[in-house]
Amino acid sequence: DAGVIQSPRHEVTEMGQEVTLRCKPISGHDYLFWYRQTMMRGLELLIYFNNNVPIDDSGMPEDRFSAKMPNASFSTLKIQPSEPRDSAVYFCASSSIPYRGRSGYEQYFGPGTRLTVT
Amino acid sequence: GNSVTQMEGPVTLSEEAFLTINCTYTATGYPSLFWYVQYPGEGLQLLLKATKADDKGSNKGFEATYRKETTSFHLEKGSVQVSDSAVYFCALRAGNQGGKLIFGQGTELSVKP
Repeated sequence: DAGVIQSPRHEVTEMGQEVTLRCKPISGHDYLFWYRQTMMRGLELLIYFNNNVPIDDSGMPEDRFSAKMPNASFSTLKIQPSEPRDSAVYFCASSSIPYRGRSGYEQYFGPGTRLTVT
Repeated sequence: GNSVTQMEGPVTLSEEAFLTINCTYTATGYPSLFWYVQYPGEGLQLLLKATKADDKGSNKGFEATYRKETTSFHLEKGSVQVSDSAVYFCALRAGNQGGKLIFGQGTELSVKP
């Protein structure tokens, strides 16, 4: 399996521009998570989906952030308009429920997108 | 509520030293417990896990035992290597959380030759 795929790996943009981050979860996984990591705030859960449905978006910082999961193999995180304080590494992760004797729920992370907003 | 507390870093050790990174948790019911490792410039990787009390998770020489009586899941390794330098995260999944994991703040480990 290719693992969780994220694109782009690096994004540099100017303040006010729209940014779209993309994620392809591991095939067959039921959950998809978006995290943000900074030195100041550490690892933060932004939003997560179960079977393509958003379950908890309480970590989304403000209305400038939105996330979608139109199908089981693709999700986007959009920031519009972007601000310098959005600079961070954004991770996507996926997991499955228990099945066939496996305990499940362990999350598999993508390599991350490093976003720099100038 | 559910939470995870890790010892603060950075932890600096010499090669072949013994490692302990403390992790304690607060949770309702019987959570599953995990250790993740993050190498520089990479995403988090699952290191080991335990799903019930007294279970021992192990991988790559690392071990952690699920201690319900002390609500702890301390990470240990008998002899660290320079390549173990990374940030280590303890996490839990409580039964009423669906797939969501609660992560600790991470502990940075630096191993010197």
